[in-house]
Amino acid sequence: GAVVSQHPSWVICKSGTSVKIECRSLDFQATTMFWYRQFPKQSLMLMATSNEGSKATYEQGVEKDKFLINHASLTLSTLTVTSAHPEDSSFYICSAEDRLGRTQYFGPGTRLLVL
Amino acid sequence: RKEVEQDPGPFNVPEGATVAFNCTYSNSASQSFFWYRQDCRKEPKLLMSVYSSGNEDGRFTAQLNRASQYISLLIRDSKLSDSATYLCVVNAGGGADGLTFGKGTHLIIQP
Repeated sequence: GAVVSQHPSWVICKSGTSVKIECRSLDFQATTMFWYRQFPKQSLMLMATSNEGSKATYEQGVEKDKFLINHASLTLSTLTVTSAHPEDSSFYICSAEDRLGRTQYFGPGTRLLVL
Repeated sequence: RKEVEQDPGPFNVPEGATVAFNCTYSNSASQSFFWYRQDCRKEPKLLMSVYSSGNEDGRFTAQLNRASQYISLLIRDSKLSDSATYLCVVNAGGGADGLTFGKGTHLIIQP
């Protein structure tokens, strides 16, 4: 099946720093990628939809200036958590949609812990 | 009202048993339905899509009832390796839409 990688797999940082997470589709091109967040014992929540070559679409309640998304190529989308705070600590997962739009393939996730 | 609702469990089931769980969704315009499996501290992995006519994949059977906005997953001859959280997932529209996840049903298969 399709492979999506995510880096780093975990990050521990101090409050106020910015953290960049990369999501790559390794064996297919993805015009659309998605960023999700999952807090402990909660469901995955969609944060934003990332479209190659255009601005991301953010879900209600997600600050676009806080979570910067760049989808510069058909195989790479990045999420930057700016000025991270402890409440941003979470499991961030990206996914890439197959070209037929049938399903999404998920990256392994990035665990962010902000101290 | 939550968009996708599931019983969180946990369901404790002996190995070899048959177990079924359900989910309901609120958006009647939803077009695509899936069951994902998520192991502890891992990303979700697609288990199977759910089709209107119902579909089977080995020991797993999924069914969709659009009128009742209800989706089910049946696991036969359960294995220890089936222990996981099963996420009911709905795609509200066509094209590139994010998925809406239920909170998941936690299944524990006991030896």
